[in-house]
Amino acid sequence: QQQVKQSPQSLIVQKGGISIINCAYENTAFDYFPWYQQFPGKGPALLIAIRPDVSEKKEGRFTISFNKSAKQFSLHIMDSQPGDSATYFCAATPGDSSYKLIFGSGTRLLVRP
Amino acid sequence: GAGVSQSPSNKVTEKGKDVELRCDPISGHTALYWYRQSLGQGLEFLIYFQGNSAPDKSGLPSDRFSAERTGGSVSTLTIQRTQQEDSAVYLCASSPANSPLHFGNGTRLTVT
Repeated sequence: QQQVKQSPQSLIVQKGGISIINCAYENTAFDYFPWYQQFPGKGPALLIAIRPDVSEKKEGRFTISFNKSAKQFSLHIMDSQPGDSATYFCAATPGDSSYKLIFGSGTRLLVRP
Repeated sequence: GAGVSQSPSNKVTEKGKDVELRCDPISGHTALYWYRQSLGQGLEFLIYFQGNSAPDKSGLPSDRFSAERTGGSVSTLTIQRTQQEDSAVYLCASSPANSPLHFGNGTRLTVT
């Protein structure tokens, strides 16, 4: 079964620290790996995404690192802020059905002031 | 501009009743998706529309679930004879073709 495994389930970081969330997948047909951010009572919003032809993508304080051989990818939030406190989901989609995102189980991030 | 709109935002229903959940996608978005988010779980794909057609219904959990889309716009997800395990947040998303999904804020369904 197609699956994306996400860890940790929850994460507490001090303001200014680095938050790291990890995901692993099995299906080598996956070719698009987005991260979504969700605040309570809101729908998920696309944060950043990567394709397997690059090993890293950076947008502001957010960086995706991608290891194709290990079938792993991670989200790094630099200089974490209390406003980053949210639930983060990694996802993946296979090339033959790019609309069908397979989501990880989510990581609840709390950034302490 | 307006985002994806879902109604109602909350719905409480008795076991065995039918419910209809509505999604108004972003204007011009040809693709529409329904996902389900259960407590403490990730998001589970239900169905995908391209225009008014649903080429992939593989995520619908049972034949009690159905969805339609009319005029290439509004979509309705119907759950018949609701069960307690149907309690979840139902999320709708839309997108232009082959573009990132834009999610609504969801309908929280509670079956008592």
